[in-house]
Amino acid sequence: DSGVTQTPKHLITATGQRVTLRCSPRSGDLSVYWYQQSLDQGLQFLIQYYNGEERAKGNILERFSAQQFPDLHSELNLSSLELGDSALYFCASSEGGTPNEQFFGPGTRLTVL
Amino acid sequence: DAKTTQPTSMDCAEGRAANLPCNHSTISGNEYVYWYRQIHSQGPQYIIHGLKNNETNEMASLIITEDRKSSTLILPHATLRDTAVYYCIVRVASNSGYALNFGKGTSLLVTP
Repeated sequence: DSGVTQTPKHLITATGQRVTLRCSPRSGDLSVYWYQQSLDQGLQFLIQYYNGEERAKGNILERFSAQQFPDLHSELNLSSLELGDSALYFCASSEGGTPNEQFFGPGTRLTVL
Repeated sequence: DAKTTQPTSMDCAEGRAANLPCNHSTISGNEYVYWYRQIHSQGPQYIIHGLKNNETNEMASLIITEDRKSSTLILPHATLRDTAVYYCIVRVASNSGYALNFGKGTSLLVTP
């Protein structure tokens, strides 16, 4: 158990819909990262928040957005969903500081029908 | 970030040492070498990291060549539970963290 929790575990929805994925980092970790893993693209970095502020952006679509709240939990919002958005979405957290390891949650499996 | 090259797949007999190589010939002086692994569809798991010196922890050893252009992850006594995809990542670490570029990794199969 990494100490990072993600909800829900599974999500099935239809094209065009909007969903929210939630992540609670390990206690004390200030950084939260979101990654997407699909069969054809592998594991890709989407976005990072550090202590409530966006710190880095990766291959995140404009239809996707995220935020980190004052209690440090984070949400990833996916809208206008397409079939190709079906993937595993992982959240990770780290303390900050250098160097440091990232702890990954169990992931949310999103299926868009 | 420096690019890494890993073999696509490797096999190892249970109980033997698994040696996973990684080439990172364009690594710069302030870039760390990190190793993570992912057991089927689970969240990736941190294994070890290093800058210049060899490192060892309860999971593995990391051997970095003197010129830092390549490294080897060693699992000293591989078990069936070590079957996973292993990712070698080179990255500058910053005070606010860092994003990981996982690449394709090496699929390690540990056989009985």
